[in-house]
Amino acid sequence: AQKITQTQPGMFVQEKEAVTLDCTYDTSDPSYGLFWYKQPSSGEMIFLIYQGSYDQQNATEGRYSLNFQKARKSANLVISASQLGDSAMYFCAMSLSGSARQLTFGSGTQLTVLP
Amino acid sequence: SQTIHQWPATLVQPVGSPLSLECTVEGTSNPNLYWYRQAAGRGLQLLFYSVGIGQISSEVPQNLSASRPQDRQFILSSKKLLLSDSGFYLCAWSEGLYNEQFFGPGTRLTVL
Repeated sequence: AQKITQTQPGMFVQEKEAVTLDCTYDTSDPSYGLFWYKQPSSGEMIFLIYQGSYDQQNATEGRYSLNFQKARKSANLVISASQLGDSAMYFCAMSLSGSARQLTFGSGTQLTVLP
Repeated sequence: SQTIHQWPATLVQPVGSPLSLECTVEGTSNPNLYWYRQAAGRGLQLLFYSVGIGQISSEVPQNLSASRPQDRQFILSSKKLLLSDSGFYLCAWSEGLYNEQFFGPGTRLTVL
């Protein structure tokens, strides 16, 4: 069975600095997808970035990048130039191949950006 | 563009009462649909998913059930709520060929 581990329950970062949120995963399936979602206090889940297991390059979306290290089974999220609005809960998730592609989520990291 | 709706946004129900949460998606056809539950301060747990009308897969045995009466409608139900059913319920959709799931605004359920 697949598993996602986020070892940082909470993180603090100074505004305008970069921050890395850790995520490790475990699966024996060679085909999988890795996702990061942001959940502000309002509760909505906002999709940030996706990395496929066969993608050769690390995914980037604006200030978000995914540091994908396949051999180490890690998929860390890097947020550059942090903003106060980045304060939220961040979830790492994984899907396996198949038509349903249901997601398995980690326990989340609460990020607080300090002014 | 696609949108996903959930209602109600907030619900307070007594133990033993029935439940019906509705989710609808607009702007897409034959989406995959999902129900997740999030306990306070925790990650999301997949409850049900559906790849087509009338096709429901359950991930966690419980007193909840799901139905998909129409292509873009997904309903979460219970005949008798338990205290442990309290949580934040999120519906999501994805297209079969793509990977991202997009979430609705959620329903916060409190069972008293």
